[in-house]
Amino acid sequence: GENVEQHPSTLSVQEGDSAVIKCTYSDSASNYFPWYKQELGKRPQLIIDIRSNVGEKKDQRIAVTLNKTAKHFSLHITETQPEDSAVYFCAASGNSNYQLIWGAGTKLIIKP
Amino acid sequence: DTGVSQDPRHKITKRGQNVTFRCDPISEHNRLYWYRQTLGQGPEFLTYFQNEAQLEKSRLLSDRFSAERPKGSFSTLEIQRTEQGDSAMYLCASSPKGLFSYEQYFGPGTRLTVT
Repeated sequence: GENVEQHPSTLSVQEGDSAVIKCTYSDSASNYFPWYKQELGKRPQLIIDIRSNVGEKKDQRIAVTLNKTAKHFSLHITETQPEDSAVYFCAASGNSNYQLIWGAGTKLIIKP
Repeated sequence: DTGVSQDPRHKITKRGQNVTFRCDPISEHNRLYWYRQTLGQGPEFLTYFQNEAQLEKSRLLSDRFSAERPKGSFSTLEIQRTEQGDSAMYLCASSPKGLFSYEQYFGPGTRLTVT
């Protein structure tokens, strides 16, 4: 079955700098890759996603890149702000039951 | 508010009691998922419905857990004979209709504390 690995587990960056979180997946049939942001005590919030027919997608300060050959995808956050502090989860899907397979999460800390 | 809603938001129960949670998905979303999440961990898949049919259930899920979605709209998750290890956040998510609609939108969760 599918397996998603995410790293780093914790990332601390200076406010204004960029942050990059990386995930790898094992099932070449996966074709949908979302990223969720979860603040403490809140629900996971879908912030951006990408499908396998696209190599990159941007939405203001966030972007996701996908390398199908290497089976990895990354979240890029530019000009980080204090409100970006949260846990970020990657996931992969593409099987018939639409189930998301989740990474273990990255705690992003923005230092003032 | 047209988002996913869950009720109750918090539940404290004594070990051995039964509890039931409700999830109302986004209108016209035909897929519904239940997850469990403990502190510091990612969401753990419990079960999945497409319309009223329960199509998958985690192999890790105890027989004490049961879920229903009788009319293909709201869903309930029941835990019988609760144990302290059941303490967690129970999250519900829904997905739109469509062959390529994989995105899941989460509700606020029900936090269960078993004493």
